[in-house]
Amino acid sequence: NAGVTQTPKFQVLKTGQSMTLQCAQDMNHEYMSWYRQDPGMGLRLIHYSVGAGITDQGEVPNGYNVSRSTTEDFPLRLLSAAPSQTSVYFCASSYSGAQETQYFGPGTRLLVL
Amino acid sequence: QKEVEQDPGPLSVPEGAIVSLNCTYSNSAFQYFMWYRQYSRKGPELLMYTYSSGNKEDGRFTAQVDKSSKYISLFIRDSQPSDSATYLCAMRSNFGNEKLTFGTGTRLTIIP
Repeated sequence: NAGVTQTPKFQVLKTGQSMTLQCAQDMNHEYMSWYRQDPGMGLRLIHYSVGAGITDQGEVPNGYNVSRSTTEDFPLRLLSAAPSQTSVYFCASSYSGAQETQYFGPGTRLLVL
Repeated sequence: QKEVEQDPGPLSVPEGAIVSLNCTYSNSAFQYFMWYRQYSRKGPELLMYTYSSGNKEDGRFTAQVDKSSKYISLFIRDSQPSDSATYLCAMRSNFGNEKLTFGTGTRLTIIP
C-alpha cells in the first residue's frame, strides 16, 4: 500500500493564480481531510469528506474548494492564491468515525508570492 | 484561549533520558487523545492514542490521560537521537466524525 500520497511536493504561485493540490489514498478510507500547518498555529482543518460526493467545511475553508468524486481522491483547489495561503498542506484519511487513527500524507509546501 | 495548549519548546535532553511531553485542554467533551510524531519536512505519524482516562504503553512510549485535570502526557523512556522530532498532541470528542483539535507541537532534540 502506498498509503496517502500528495502531489506536488513543492509549488510556487503568484498572487491570483489558481492550482489544485492532489491527494489520493489506497486504504479504502471513507474519511478524508485537508489541513494546513503554519508556525505557532498547529494543524488546522480546511475541508473534509465523509465519503464520495459528501464534503464539508472545516475551521479555515475560505479561499479553498474541494470535491470527492471517488473514494480514493480528494483534491484541494485554490481559487485565487493569496500570500496568506503560503503554508504546508497535509491530506489525511481514516475510516469513518475513526479520526483518532488518521494517516497523513507527506505534505505539499506552497509559497505564494 | 486555545482549546489545546502545548509548550512549543524547544526541548533538548541527553540520550537515554526520560522525556515528558504535555498538553492541557479546556473542552471536557474530548474523549480521544492522540500523540503524533513529525520529522522535519514530513507528515505527522500517529504514535498512539488513548480513549478516556488512563495509561497506555507501547514499547518505550507511554501515554497518560488525566481527564479530571484536563492534562495529557507522553513519556519516552531511554530516549534515542532518532526520537528527535516535533511531537503533536491531538484530541477529539466521541461524536461521529468530529474533527481533531491539535496542539501546536513540541520540538524535541535528543543529544547523543
